[in-house]
Formats: sequence, C-alpha cells, structure tokens
Amino acid sequence: QVQLQESGPGLVKPSETLSLTCIVSGDSVGSGTSYWTWIRQPPGKGLEWIGQFYYGGNIQYNPSFKSRVIISVDTSKNQFSLKLTSMTASDTAVYYCARDKRGGTFFDYWGQGTLVTVSS
Amino acid sequence: AIQLTQSPSSLSASVGDRVIITCRASQGLTYTLAWYQQKPGKVPKLLISDAYTVASGVPSRFSGSGSGTDFTLTISSLQPEDFATYYCQQFHTYPLTFGGGTEVEI
Repeated sequence: QVQLQESGPGLVKPSETLSLTCIVSGDSVGSGTSYWTWIRQPPGKGLEWIGQFYYGGNIQYNPSFKSRVIISVDTSKNQFSLKLTSMTASDTAVYYCARDKRGGTFFDYWGQGTLVTVSS
Repeated sequence: AIQLTQSPSSLSASVGDRVIITCRASQGLTYTLAWYQQKPGKVPKLLISDAYTVASGVPSRFSGSGSGTDFTLTISSLQPEDFATYYCQQFHTYPLTFGGGTEVEI
C-alpha cells in the first residue's frame, strides 16, 4: 500500500520561504517510474497543480509559480520536497503530495495534506 | 494552460437520483481526463481515469464518458456517501489543470 505524508510548518510569514517534505512508503521515489507531485488547495477553493518530477528526468513546474518553486528529492530517505519562496497570503492553502504512476497524468495516491497559513 | 469549465458549479439532488456533471475543455484532450471526488476535509479520491476507466474499488454507479472537449461524469443512482465535490483534471498538456469543481448537495 502506497502512503504519502506531508510535513512542514503550519505557519509562514509573508515574504518567507515555505519548505515541505513528503515521506513516501510502499513505492520508491528513486525508481524512475512513478512521478511525484505537489498540489495545493486554498481554503474553500479548487485544486492547483504545482509541479512534479520523476527520478532521473525533468521536473515540470506550473508556470504560474514562475521561478518561486523548487522540487527536490532525497532518495536515501525516500522523500521529496517543495520550496516556495516569497510567500504571500494568497499562498495560504492545504498542500498535498501525490503520486502519478504513469507520468504527466492523474493522481492515484495522495497524502493527507498539510495546511499552510501565511500570516505575520 | 488548458482551462476546464465544470457545470453546474453546484447542484441539489436526492438519494436515488441520476446525476450528470459536465467538464468542458478549452482545447481538445482526446481521452486525457480524470475525475476525483472530494468530501469536506478529506483528500481527493480518483474515480475515473482516461475519461471512462473506473478506478479500482470505485462503485459501478460512477461512469465517465466523452472525448475531445466535452466530458461527463454520471452517478447512476446517488447514494448518501456520494454527497461531495467533484473535480475534473486534464493531463493532455502541462501544466496539468483542474476544473473548478461541482458540489453535489442534498
């Protein structure tokens, strides 16, 4: 059974950088087959794809985040991370990590999500 | 980016009703569309992939159809546990995008 679990701060100050980690079990982030993804959902709103990667391949980012986002991987810990810089109140959201088994497609396993609030 | 427009944005229905939700894309997707169900405070759950392939463990009352720019999610007989918000998602082109959601209420 594949499981994903996000971790990170629940509160970030404006202009600061958000750092989140997703720990994976039941699959390997270094397998080069599954794609690992970040998605977010502002309170009461819809879903927004942030970006994804597969090990050994290119990372795809949503252009709406321009150069603010970095996704990285730590295969030794079987986890991957999200960094989002220059946070503003509009970045307040539940952040999910998810698996895309086929690559550039749909998401079959999701983490529970972590609420990140941007406030001073 | 490809835009997905869902209609209606919300609907009221009763147990046993047939419910149809539509998703229209700003450009052709062939069959590269998925549907998710999200209950309040819960994680989105994959229902349908590739426009009509029902995900493992999803009840047979859920079905998907369509291709190109127009897609539908049908719930043949609404059950109490089906009251939720439903999202479509395209995977034809990066960036992957979601529709705005359809809330199914009692």
